[in-house]
Amino acid sequence: EIVLTQSPGTLSLSPGERATLSCRASQSVSSSYLAWYQQKPGQAPRLLIYGASSRATGIPDRFSGSGSGTDFTLTISRLEPEDFAVYYCQQYGSSLFTFGGGTKVEIK
Amino acid sequence: EVQLVESGGGLVQPGRSLRLSCAASGFTFDDYAMHWVRQAPGKGLEWVSGISWNSGSIGYADSVKGRFTISRDNAKNSLYLQMNSLRAEDTALYYCAKVIGGLLGAFDYWGQGTLVTVSS
Repeated sequence: EIVLTQSPGTLSLSPGERATLSCRASQSVSSSYLAWYQQKPGQAPRLLIYGASSRATGIPDRFSGSGSGTDFTLTISRLEPEDFAVYYCQQYGSSLFTFGGGTKVEIK
Repeated sequence: EVQLVESGGGLVQPGRSLRLSCAASGFTFDDYAMHWVRQAPGKGLEWVSGISWNSGSIGYADSVKGRFTISRDNAKNSLYLQMNSLRAEDTALYYCAKVIGGLLGAFDYWGQGTLVTVSS
C-alpha cells in the first residue's frame, strides 16, 4: 500500500497570498496517477487536479499541480476567500487507492 | 447533470449487516468504474472499495476486506456496498464516487453521502 503524507497539517494564510501544499508518497506513484481534492465543511470532496497536473473541468487556473515519482505539490497562486478548506491528495496508480491525511488552509 | 444519490445508511449494532446503495443518473453508468469512499466524523477520507465497469476488476481496502462486498447493476444504474460484521470503527459518512475515465482514474463526481453509525 502506498502511504501519502501531506504537509503541513495546517496552513495559515491571508487572502491574496500563495499557498503551497505538499504530498509525499512512500513509493513511486505510477504514471503520475495523483489527484488533489478540496473539501469544505458539510460538502463532498471536489476534484481539482488529476494526473498530477491536469485541472478538472471548471477549476480556476489559480490552482496548479506539479511533481512526479514520490513528491507532488498543489499550488494556489492567490488565495480567494472561497479557497479556505481542507485539501487531500490521492493516488490511484495501484489497485489500492489511498488518500493523504489532508492539509487545512485557514484564514490567518 | 451527473447525480449520485446514496441511501441505506443508519444506526446498526456491532456485528450486524447493512447494504448501501448509490443511484446514478446523468451519464452512461456502464461506461465507468465506481468507488466507495468513507469519512469518519472529523477525520480524513478513506478509500473503501472500487469496481470496474463490467465488475471484472474489484478492489478493497485492507480494513474491510472479507467483510464488505461491492457490486453493481448496470441495468439499474446502481452501485451497492454490502457491509457485514460491522464494527464501531466502520462508523462514517459513506460516499459513492464516479471515476473520470478508465479503470484507474480520479473521482470526478461524488454523492452527498449516507451516514452509517455502528453502536450498541
